[in-house]
Amino acid sequence: TQLLEQSPQFLSIQEGENLTVYCNSSSVFSSLQWYRQEPGEGPVLLVTVVTGGEVKKLKRLTFQFGDARKDSSLHITAAQPGDTGLYLCAGRDAYNNNDMRFGAGTRLTVKP
Amino acid sequence: SAVISQKPSRDICQRGTSLTIQCQVDSQVTMMFWYRQQPGQSLTLIATANQGSEATYESGFVIDKFPISRPNLTFSTLTVSNMSPEDSSIYLCSASLDTDTQYFGPGTRLTVL
Repeated sequence: TQLLEQSPQFLSIQEGENLTVYCNSSSVFSSLQWYRQEPGEGPVLLVTVVTGGEVKKLKRLTFQFGDARKDSSLHITAAQPGDTGLYLCAGRDAYNNNDMRFGAGTRLTVKP
Repeated sequence: SAVISQKPSRDICQRGTSLTIQCQVDSQVTMMFWYRQQPGQSLTLIATANQGSEATYESGFVIDKFPISRPNLTFSTLTVSNMSPEDSSIYLCSASLDTDTQYFGPGTRLTVL
């Protein structure tokens, strides 16, 4: 059973479209991270959110942490082919030794 | 941030042999971790590499199969012992600078024939 549920699992869109990826859990997280991983590479940290309701922006990417710190979303505006990759959310379980848990990932393909 | 390198980047090994993967961080870090990632899948934590003491293994992973060393604050090794084709995977080293930030190496792609 995945502690962190990511949706959708796969997403294929055209360049210029907007998209949102979701990361949900029944657990409370002390912090939550989003990573992007490209084939043959390790995951690269995009952002860390720690406060309930927090919103962070990274160019065309907007990250939100739920008020109850149980969920998060990643919104990409005007997607580009360079955004293609595996997006992983990972959270530190606040009530389980702050262990880091990873979602199954969302594989995004942006077609030119 | 931390820059993490791993050696080898990939290897093809015979069944029954062992492979040791090295992980080097460019700065001293508190925590180092080893993960496994099947192609197209998410990450599974194998163990936390503790400096100066035995590694802490997750459920389903044992020291005899995945011995880990961490002689100092910048280096760790993971050995995959007595390999079988089921061990074919990507092995990732990770390091944590603080409780909220975790960085990853490029991974070692292992194929066992």
